[in-house]
Amino acid sequence: GAVVSQHPSWVICKSGTSVKIECRSLDFQATTMFWYRQFPKQSLMLMATSNEGSKATYEQGVEKDKFLINHASLTLSTLTVTSAHPEDSSFYICSASGQGYDQPQHFGDGTRLSIL
Amino acid sequence: DAKTTQPTSMDCAEGRAANLPCNHSTISGNEYVYWYRQIHSQGPQYIIHGLKNNETNEMASLIITEDRKSSTLILPHATLRDTAVYYCIVRPPPGNEKLTFGTGTRLTIIP
Repeated sequence: GAVVSQHPSWVICKSGTSVKIECRSLDFQATTMFWYRQFPKQSLMLMATSNEGSKATYEQGVEKDKFLINHASLTLSTLTVTSAHPEDSSFYICSASGQGYDQPQHFGDGTRLSIL
Repeated sequence: DAKTTQPTSMDCAEGRAANLPCNHSTISGNEYVYWYRQIHSQGPQYIIHGLKNNETNEMASLIITEDRKSSTLILPHATLRDTAVYYCIVRPPPGNEKLTFGTGTRLTIIP
């Protein structure tokens, strides 16, 4: 089945640094990718929709200058958390949607980000 | 977007069928019902989806009522590895592919 790979799976870094998370669709072309954030014991919250070759669409309340999204190819989207602070610590998950409305979105295994 | 309502938690004995209900009374005619599950510290895993007809795959069966206002996910022979949070999601029409996750049902399989 379709596979979405997310890297890294875990990252710990100091406050003020920037962290890049990659999301790749391994066996299909993803015209659209999504980025979610999940806090402990809570559900997934959509942060932004990433479309290949165009600017991402951010959900209300998500700072676009804080969370930079680049979708440069049909198989790769990246999320960069700029100048990360402890409150940015969370579980970040991407999903990719292939072509065709009845095709399911497939999710990566997530990236656990811890900011010290 | 159509909202879904699921029980907060359920238990099921290992080896028995697990039946997870979902209400989606405001679903539109062209919206699909999707089911995902999330095992602790992993990304959601796609299980099954359907529009009107009942569906079955190697993981589960999906029963959708005739009026499409509710559905049931059936895991025919639950194992301990099926312990997870199960999300029932109504997928918006084409042009708005965003999935909205509710709180889901925490299914615990009891040995």
